[in-house]
Amino acid sequence: DQQVKQNSPSLSVQEGRISILNCDYTNSMFDYFLWYKKYPAEGPTFLISISSIKDKNEDGRFTVFLNKSAKHLSLHIVPSQPGDSAVYFCAASGQGAQKLVFGQGTRLTINP
Amino acid sequence: GAGVSQSPSNKVTEKGKDVELRCDPISGHTALYWYRQSLGQGLEFLIYFQGNSAPDKSGLPSDRFSAERTGGSVSTLTIQRTQQEDSAVYLCASSLYSRVDRGKNIQYFGAGTRLSVL
Repeated sequence: DQQVKQNSPSLSVQEGRISILNCDYTNSMFDYFLWYKKYPAEGPTFLISISSIKDKNEDGRFTVFLNKSAKHLSLHIVPSQPGDSAVYFCAASGQGAQKLVFGQGTRLTINP
Repeated sequence: GAGVSQSPSNKVTEKGKDVELRCDPISGHTALYWYRQSLGQGLEFLIYFQGNSAPDKSGLPSDRFSAERTGGSVSTLTIQRTQQEDSAVYLCASSLYSRVDRGKNIQYFGAGTRLSVL
């Protein structure tokens, strides 16, 4: 039962363009969502989060959008840079639980 | 160091042997989590410790897996009688804890222990 899904295993974007990573969830009790970025041989690094009371949160080049009715969130990176090449994980928590439920990840490659 | 520290970084063991994985959380973080990432998969929750509360063990896949946290700091994940399907990267994370401010509960991860069971 995959409660958090990232349906695109990989994404390739040209440097300077916008990268859009998508995530869908099934559990309506999730109320907090996070994006993590992971480089090879390193642990995931927190990127940005959003509470279910908001529909958008922005931090520099990174913006997360939440559509609760569609149970969908997306991460926008503008402009994309070569250092953004990594695996991006979407995660969710809720029902008072602290544990995170992760998607399978999307490998983002930024081409010069 | 300021981050979450895990040891060893790599562990190769034979099927049937026991292994212990160690995690040193960020100083001052009261919450500690273990996850594992199998090849090509997302992170799978294993266990969560918060202060002196009983740990949330709901993610442990079998009774061969156990974890303890001594003195509210260092944690050890033990896998007994390892099987080949236990091969994965085991990740530890720590966080502050707040019932009100979810932003304080952001989890910070270590680099993980790559376990290979032959």
